[in-house]
Amino acid sequence: GESVGLHLPTLSVQEGDNSIINCAYSNSASDYFIWYKQESGKGPQFIIDIRSNMDKRQGQRVTVLLNKTVKHLSLQIAATQPGDSAVYFCAETPYNQAGTALIFGKGTTLSVSS
Amino acid sequence: NAGVTQTPKFRILKIGQSMTLQCTQDMNHNYMYWYRQDPGMGLKLIYYSVGAGITDKGEVPNGYNVSRSTTEDFPLRLELAAPSQTSVYFCASRPGTGGERPQHFGDGTRLSIL
Repeated sequence: GESVGLHLPTLSVQEGDNSIINCAYSNSASDYFIWYKQESGKGPQFIIDIRSNMDKRQGQRVTVLLNKTVKHLSLQIAATQPGDSAVYFCAETPYNQAGTALIFGKGTTLSVSS
Repeated sequence: NAGVTQTPKFRILKIGQSMTLQCTQDMNHNYMYWYRQDPGMGLKLIYYSVGAGITDKGEVPNGYNVSRSTTEDFPLRLELAAPSQTSVYFCASRPGTGGERPQHFGDGTRLSIL
């Protein structure tokens, strides 16, 4: 079936660097995308979302970019901090997905060293 | 504001035993979901509910049952536990109006079947 995937399973950065986490999706019917952060022993925590009628959205230290032409989603974290270390998942909701359930990718583990 | 609360946090079952994973939310959300997360993987949808008295199957419903008698509670039932059901289970909820709303997750129940 169609699913959301991530390009890299792990990403290691230095504190203060900018991080970019990528995600490719295959369902062209998806119209809503979310980035979640999951720390060890915790549930996924909402970071930022974007609708398909937008190509960029900014939050506090985070930016999500959406390229529908190539079905690509990215999360940019500015001035990465040790507290940003976690697993990051992108998720999508296809327009006709029953119950608006999310389809998750496998995740990227971000490690931040100080 | 407690958000989504799941109990128990950990449980070990023997093959063939049954149990109920509890989930309650205090945000008056109409939509609730159960996901399972296997090691190194994203979340997969088990069951969902769009309101009290209404439930429907997700991607991996076999071996599970749910009920939704109130807006707040959405318990997940395992009738005959099998080793393949060893996983981390997450409950989530979101407002029912509009398709573009992020889901809020509990911290999970870690279940081992031995």
